Amino acid sequence: SQQGEEDPQALSIQEGENATMNCSYKTSINNLQWYRQNSGRGLVHLILIRSNEREKHSGRLRVTLDTSKKSSSLLITASRAADTASYFCATGTYKYIFGTGTRLKVLA
Amino acid sequence: EAQVTQNPRYLITVTGKKLTVTCSQNMNHEYMSWYRQDPGLGLRQIYYSMNVEVTDKGDVPEGYKVSRKEKRNFPLILESPSPNQTSLYFCASLGSYNSPLHFGNGTRLTVT
Repeated sequence: SQQGEEDPQALSIQEGENATMNCSYKTSINNLQWYRQNSGRGLVHLILIRSNEREKHSGRLRVTLDTSKKSSSLLITASRAADTASYFCATGTYKYIFGTGTRLKVLA
Repeated sequence: EAQVTQNPRYLITVTGKKLTVTCSQNMNHEYMSWYRQDPGLGLRQIYYSMNVEVTDKGDVPEGYKVSRKEKRNFPLILESPSPNQTSLYFCASLGSYNSPLHFGNGTRLTVT
């Protein structure tokens, strides 16, 4: 069964705008990870946030984690056309569960 | 360069013809795993391996076999492929607890 569920399924924005996508999960976690996938290629790790962390930043990325609501959000600020990709959250320690992803399209 | 290498990149085969997709990593990672990706279903874990000779089922292991005879290699075996195994497959490795997965570039398999 799918634990991570991303929302929205698809998002289309203009270059320079911020993009926010959300992930919900069902069971307790040790960490939550976000990945990016460009059109059928391998997944690239973006950021890992541990269960005892509430917020984490990496460049233009900001991830928040609310364990009481079992949810996380990924914010991409000042988006670029190159950010066009699918974004997935993943939970688990060794038995990983991925969400179905958010397809982000950034229009130049 | 640290990487996970999968081969082949594309594979078209017929129902029932045994095939193997290879996966190799050069990072000395103990953990390796296989996923399949289907439209609307995201990535689903097929099998994973915590170390040499230690493997365990993921969420969708039916119709697949794996082996882990060496730390660097983790092949995925389809002994009798069927059309419902047409999918995009990814291998990944992990260095340690609370670290990110490293993914290969994927193998697109079509079974006719």
